[in-house]
Amino acid sequence: EVQLLESGGGLGQPGGSLRLSCAASGFTFSSSAMSWVRQAPGKGLEWLSSINGDTTYYADSVKARFTISRDNSKNTLFLQLDSLRAEDTAFYYCAKGAWGSIVLDSWGQGTLVTVSS
Amino acid sequence: EIVMTQSPATLSVSPGERTTLSCRASQSVARNLAWYQQKPGQAPRLLIYGASTRATGIPARFSGSGSGTEFTLTISSLQSEDFAVYYCQQYNQWLRGTFGQGTKVEI
Repeated sequence: EVQLLESGGGLGQPGGSLRLSCAASGFTFSSSAMSWVRQAPGKGLEWLSSINGDTTYYADSVKARFTISRDNSKNTLFLQLDSLRAEDTAFYYCAKGAWGSIVLDSWGQGTLVTVSS
Repeated sequence: EIVMTQSPATLSVSPGERTTLSCRASQSVARNLAWYQQKPGQAPRLLIYGASTRATGIPARFSGSGSGTEFTLTISSLQSEDFAVYYCQQYNQWLRGTFGQGTKVEI
């Protein structure tokens, strides 16, 4: 069974940083494309970033501030959030892509990031 | 960036009814279109990919159609557990994806 467990959310300061983690199990993590998607409270889904092998992709809205990475030895996906803004307040989901794509066939339960002073 | 537009924003229906949700892309995405269902307090769930292929375990009452820029998700006979928000997502740009703003299906 595929399991994805996000952690690292919490209160962040405007201009500050947070690092989110996603522990994966139940599938071959190293050969899977992985993505981060966020959802502001009461709003829709926003694709943020994906990684396949060492190749990374970003939405224009976060390209200069967020960094996706992975540690295949630990089956863990990361998202580094820098220069935090109030509008980054959201649930952050990690998701597994099917067939190395961005068709997201498994999702974690999300971790909440709140940016406030 | 490809913009996905869903309509309507909210759909009020009764159990047992047939309902159709629409999704439009700002440029052609071929058949690289997925649909997701999200219930309150839960993560999204993949329903449809390739515009019309049901994901594993998805009931046959869910069907998708379309290509290019116009897509629809049809629920043939709405069940109580189908009341949720539905999102379309294009993946024509390989590992860059954009979602529509969602359609809420309510009683």
